[in-house]
Amino acid sequence: EPEVTQTPSHQVTQMGQEVILRCVPISNHLYFYWYRQILGQKVEFLVSFYNNEISEKSEIFDDQFSVERPDGSNFTLKIRSTKLEDSAMYFCASSPWTGNNQPQHFGDGTRLSIL
Amino acid sequence: KQEVTQIPAALSVPEGENLVLNCSFTDSAIYNLQWFRQDPGKGLTSLLLIQSSQREQTSGRLNASLDKSSGRSTLYIAASQPGDSATYLCAVPIGNEKLTFGTGTRLTIIP
Repeated sequence: EPEVTQTPSHQVTQMGQEVILRCVPISNHLYFYWYRQILGQKVEFLVSFYNNEISEKSEIFDDQFSVERPDGSNFTLKIRSTKLEDSAMYFCASSPWTGNNQPQHFGDGTRLSIL
Repeated sequence: KQEVTQIPAALSVPEGENLVLNCSFTDSAIYNLQWFRQDPGKGLTSLLLIQSSQREQTSGRLNASLDKSSGRSTLYIAASQPGDSATYLCAVPIGNEKLTFGTGTRLTIIP
């Protein structure tokens, strides 16, 4: 069964550095998402992306964050200058289209640790 | 603003028992509700999606029900096994896209 894949599985970075988290969505999917989960807290929506542009973003997704689909397969989340509070598990998800019968499929996540 | 709650936060049951996990949401205008499983340090595995027009959805030993008017969903697990131990999350979409998640129920099946 097709899967969403994320790399790296664990990223350790010094505060203030830039990080790029990578995702390969399922190949025929059109909608892409990033979520994050701070340890012990709920999974939170960050951003959705369709047709090469952001379709919705949360208030968490400030100017430090950006997303890109640089080619036909990868979907990336960049954090420009990381803060300690960015430490979390980041999940990528994709769906074929939006609609009331389309589940979102999630990757295994990237654990981001900011030192 | 949609709020999703899961009670209890943790549940332990002996192997072989049937069990029910609960999910409640404050805004009944939802398109669907999705149940996920999360193993420690791992991603989210989609278990079931139940559409707003459905009352039940089944997959193997799992059965999800949805009562939109009361803002509730349940996940029934029959004949529980140690491999069912995980955190179970429910989520509803806001509009057509972003999911709002509950805090999850951490399930432990005791052999």
